[in-house]
Amino acid sequence: GQQLNQSPQSMFIQEGEDVSMNCTSSSIFNTWLWYKQDPGEGPVLLIALYKAGELTSNGRLTAQFGITRKDSFLNISASIPSDVGIYFCAGLQGNKLVFGAGTILRVKS
Amino acid sequence: GAGVSQSPSNKVTEKGKDVELRCDPISGHTALYWYRQSLGQGLEFLIYFQGNSAPDKSGLPSDRFSAERTGGSVSTLTIQRTQQEDSAVYLCASSLGLGGNGYTFGSGTRLTVV
Repeated sequence: GQQLNQSPQSMFIQEGEDVSMNCTSSSIFNTWLWYKQDPGEGPVLLIALYKAGELTSNGRLTAQFGITRKDSFLNISASIPSDVGIYFCAGLQGNKLVFGAGTILRVKS
Repeated sequence: GAGVSQSPSNKVTEKGKDVELRCDPISGHTALYWYRQSLGQGLEFLIYFQGNSAPDKSGLPSDRFSAERTGGSVSTLTIQRTQQEDSAVYLCASSLGLGGNGYTFGSGTRLTVV
C-alpha cells in the first residue's frame, strides 16, 4: 500500500496564484522526486532532491527535501493554465520508487 | 528510441481472456519498471527488471500476472484470465541506473476488461 501521504488531494486556484503541496512519510527516504502527469500521458520528472534540507528550483517550481528525510514540499509560483495536471511525489525505496496518491491541480483562468 | 514506447495504447478485452502489454524502453536503459494506475489512484509498483532479470516481483497482484524482458530491452507484461478489477492504466518506465535519477515513463496502456 501507499507509504507516502500527499496533500491536498486536489486544489482549484486562480491563475497567477502560488500553489503549495506536500508529502509526508513514516519512513525515511534518501531521494525524493516530484512528477507531473498530464491526461493520457505518463508522469514526467520535475525535480529530484538528494540531500536532507536541499532546496531546488526549476523555473517557477521550488521543492525542498525535509531535514528529517520524511517529508518534501513543492511550490509553484504564479500559476498558469498549463500547470493543470496531477502532481506526484515519490521516494526511492531500495531500487524502486514509491509514489504518493497525487494532487490534482486545476487552474481558473 | 527517443522515449519509452508502450503498445497498445488502448486495449479492451473480455473477462477471462489473456492480454499482453509491450514496453520498449529507452535504448541503453538497463532498468525497466512496470506500474499500475487505477482510476484516481497513485502508481502501484508491479515489477522491475535489471537487465533481463527481475529482482523484485513483489508488486505483482496475483499469479495471473507475469512479465519478462529479453535482450535487455523489450519487456512484456502478461495478464492471464483477465478480471474486471484488472482494468487500469499500465505504465512502463526505464532508467539508466536503479531509479535514483528518476524514471522516464511511457504513455501507458489503458486496459479495460468488460
